[in-house]
Amino acid sequence: DAGVTQSPTHLIKTRGQQVTLRCSPKSGHDTVSWYQQALGQGPQFIFQYYEEEERQRGNFPDRFSGHQFPNYSSELNVNALLLGDSALYLCASSLLIGPPTGLVSGELFFGEGSRLTVL
Amino acid sequence: DAKTTQPPSMDCAEGRAANLPCNHSTISGNEYVYWYRQIHSQGPQYIIHGLKNNETNEMASLIITEDRKSSTLILPHATLRDTAVYYCIVRVGGTSYGKLTFGQGTILTVHP
Repeated sequence: DAGVTQSPTHLIKTRGQQVTLRCSPKSGHDTVSWYQQALGQGPQFIFQYYEEEERQRGNFPDRFSGHQFPNYSSELNVNALLLGDSALYLCASSLLIGPPTGLVSGELFFGEGSRLTVL
Repeated sequence: DAKTTQPPSMDCAEGRAANLPCNHSTISGNEYVYWYRQIHSQGPQYIIHGLKNNETNEMASLIITEDRKSSTLILPHATLRDTAVYYCIVRVGGTSYGKLTFGQGTILTVHP
């Protein structure tokens, strides 16, 4: 049973460029969340997707956008990259039960992350 | 979600129990206590969660005080592989979707 997979594992971009990160959730999971983790900090919630819609969003600018596909996989897009966007980007999947109340199972499963360096 | 307070770092000898405290004095009645850990260069890993009763699984035990204002994660026999950052998170169990609010966590170092 594959866990959460993310690609690419590492990438380098320059300021102003755009980047797309990909995530495949754990088998059986239907909800994907994205987190940004700067060096030495805890992960910060970016947004969550369920049924191909953004359901909840953290305090991130519109340069950060996402998408969820019918097979539950997800993409994170960041436009107009800044030096401060350098971070580990984590994808987490979970199983949503009892919609539309947002009930989730007790745990999130995280991938290994995509490390983005902006020069 | 309620805020948590954890010590920035702790040490533990291999084979001994590691007891990691967490303060969540503003916790609400419908908020759960979750513990995750993050080993260097890996994604966070779920450990355990609870509402008000003590919980135990194959990884750890979670002890929640009767007033629910604090909790302790117990790793009964710490190994070198338990060296990681441990995050205590409090969140509503039903309506917050997948959002977890991570703090700085506790860096646990297990020594030989």
